[in-house]
Amino acid sequence: NAGVTQTPKFRILKIGQSMTLQCTQDMNHNYMYWYRQDPGMGLKLIYYSVGAGITDKGEVPNGYNVSRSTTEDFPLRLELAAPSQTSVYFCASRASGVSYEQYFGPGTRLTVT
Amino acid sequence: AQSVTQLDSHVSVSEGTPVLLRCNYSSSYSPSLFWYVQHPNKGLQLLLKYTSAATLVKGINGFEAEFKKSETSFHLTKPSAHMSDAAEYFCVVLILTGGGNKLTFGTGTQLKVEL
Repeated sequence: NAGVTQTPKFRILKIGQSMTLQCTQDMNHNYMYWYRQDPGMGLKLIYYSVGAGITDKGEVPNGYNVSRSTTEDFPLRLELAAPSQTSVYFCASRASGVSYEQYFGPGTRLTVT
Repeated sequence: AQSVTQLDSHVSVSEGTPVLLRCNYSSSYSPSLFWYVQHPNKGLQLLLKYTSAATLVKGINGFEAEFKKSETSFHLTKPSAHMSDAAEYFCVVLILTGGGNKLTFGTGTQLKVEL
């Protein structure tokens, strides 16, 4: 299994541009999550999904959108990039049940200038 | 509300000496707690988890943590540090919700291991 994969690894955007961060998992996990990590801070939850077709907001959803058309994929969309969205973005997934262990991708480092 | 506080933002130890990374939690019910490790430019990896079974939890790479309800603590320890342990460590609490059961992360402790 590849686990959780994210593309791209790095990206520089200009203010106002848009982009999609891709996340794919091959573990057949129902639950998927998007986090952002800012320096000196823990991870903050942006959006999550409990299954295909179902998404919900986390702590910091403003400026982002998600979709979940398949079990495997959970893309994160930035419509109008702002400098405040400069961060490292992590995707994670977990299986249903009581383990609650989340498996993380390697991250996407995004800079908005 | 459930939360975790990591008491040290940076810890520096010598190779071969013990490691102690401190975490206190706040929870209105018996929490599920985790320690994750993040090596430079890598994703997060689960070290260990506590889910109300044994209070002393053993994890990967020789790490362990003890859940102490009386002290609301879940400190991470290792008897002998190795250079490869240098990384950032996150204490995490599980928040039960009607939806995705979310993780709340501490702010992290950067562990430096010196020769």
